Amino acid sequence: DAEITQSPRHKIIETGRQVTLACHQTWNHNNMFWYRQDLGHGLRLIHYSYGVHDTNKGEVSDGYSVSRSNTEDLPLTLESAASSQTSVYFCASSGAGAYEQYFGPGTRLTVT
Amino acid sequence: GENVEQHPSTLSVQEGDSAVIKCTYSDSASNYFPWYKQELGKRPQLIIDIRSNVGEKKDQRIAVTLNKTAKHFSLHITETQPEDSAVYFCAAADAGGSYIPTFGRGTSLIVHP
Repeated sequence: DAEITQSPRHKIIETGRQVTLACHQTWNHNNMFWYRQDLGHGLRLIHYSYGVHDTNKGEVSDGYSVSRSNTEDLPLTLESAASSQTSVYFCASSGAGAYEQYFGPGTRLTVT
Repeated sequence: GENVEQHPSTLSVQEGDSAVIKCTYSDSASNYFPWYKQELGKRPQLIIDIRSNVGEKKDQRIAVTLNKTAKHFSLHITETQPEDSAVYFCAAADAGGSYIPTFGRGTSLIVHP
């Protein structure tokens, strides 16, 4: 069955370190998204991509970067992690021309 | 950009009661309104959605209504059960083809047995 996965599921890193969160989907979806979820803020969009080599900034993109080298993957990189980036990160995907998003299981990131 | 307000932030009901969650949006061009349910420690999952050409949609105990003139939409859950306890998110997406929903901040629904 098609699915969307994230790894790692939990990560603890020190302030200033670089970390990459993986997102892999087998839906063959063109659109992929990264959100962060914090209590009281709901889901906030970090970056998104409509296809290979396409990336766009969302409302909270500072300190994050993404790259899209194939259809299946959209890794999220924190170049120099800050404590404010402690959060739960969700990856999502949707088909071309479709609104419905399918979410991954999430990655809980703690920056100490 | 789009702004989605969601109320209440917390809703506590007794099993069997109805629950209503309300959202308002700012962009009159929005035409797609999904609702996601997120159980504790799990991923958000789409439970129902409505498009602007429809005023109401039902799926068993769940219904969504849309008032485009007033720019608000609501989720109605009847005969609530403990397994309905979760955080519910509304969202709105525009007709411009971005396919990016703007989410509300969520409502924590607690159904007491």
